[in-house]
Amino acid sequence: AQSVAQPEDQVNVAEGNPLTVKCTYSVSGNPYLFWYVQYPNRGLQFLLKYITGDNLVKGSYGFEAEFNKSQTSFHLKKPSALVSDSALYFCAVRGYGGATNKLIFGTGTLLAVQP
Amino acid sequence: GAVVSQHPSRVICKSGTSVKIECRSLDFQATTMFWYRQFPKKSLMLMATSNEGSKATYEQGVEKDKFLINHASLTLSTLTVTSAHPEDSSFYICSAITFEYNEQFFGPGTRLTVL
Repeated sequence: AQSVAQPEDQVNVAEGNPLTVKCTYSVSGNPYLFWYVQYPNRGLQFLLKYITGDNLVKGSYGFEAEFNKSQTSFHLKKPSALVSDSALYFCAVRGYGGATNKLIFGTGTLLAVQP
Repeated sequence: GAVVSQHPSRVICKSGTSVKIECRSLDFQATTMFWYRQFPKKSLMLMATSNEGSKATYEQGVEKDKFLINHASLTLSTLTVTSAHPEDSSFYICSAITFEYNEQFFGPGTRLTVL
């Protein structure tokens, strides 16, 4: 069965410091991996995805993520956090094969950036 | 990127009434739409997958007679919560996908409160 784990419920970081939000996955075959961000009472906004190619993926708002096949991880990173980055972050993996395009979401990590 | 809208953004209803939520893809044709439910500070739970012109596929544990989904056109899917009860209060989010894009586009969500 495919699954995604986000081991941290909350990550606290000071503004200007680098941030990492962790994600590990378990899939059969090659994974399609995604990061989304959700602001309060809003839908999800796409940040970035890994399908194939370079392991380092660059996305919106200065975020990037590194695909690590040996560690089955896809951690989200940003060199310098902003207070406005404070939000709920979801890692997701897409169902593999067949007609399914279902996304399997992690439990979410609340990022709190202190000024 | 593609835009998905939801209407209404917020609805309050009395217990026992039915509520319809619309999900529209504004600038693309959505071959498949998804309906999610999100509890406070929790991850998204996929409720059902709907393909245009066919019956929705519900996830295990989701009552299809309770949550009626209609995908009448390539740009519109509706979720009707029938005989709503307070435990149905939640944040409902739809998403849409098209073969042209390799990702889901999410609507802004609908906050349902059942009194």
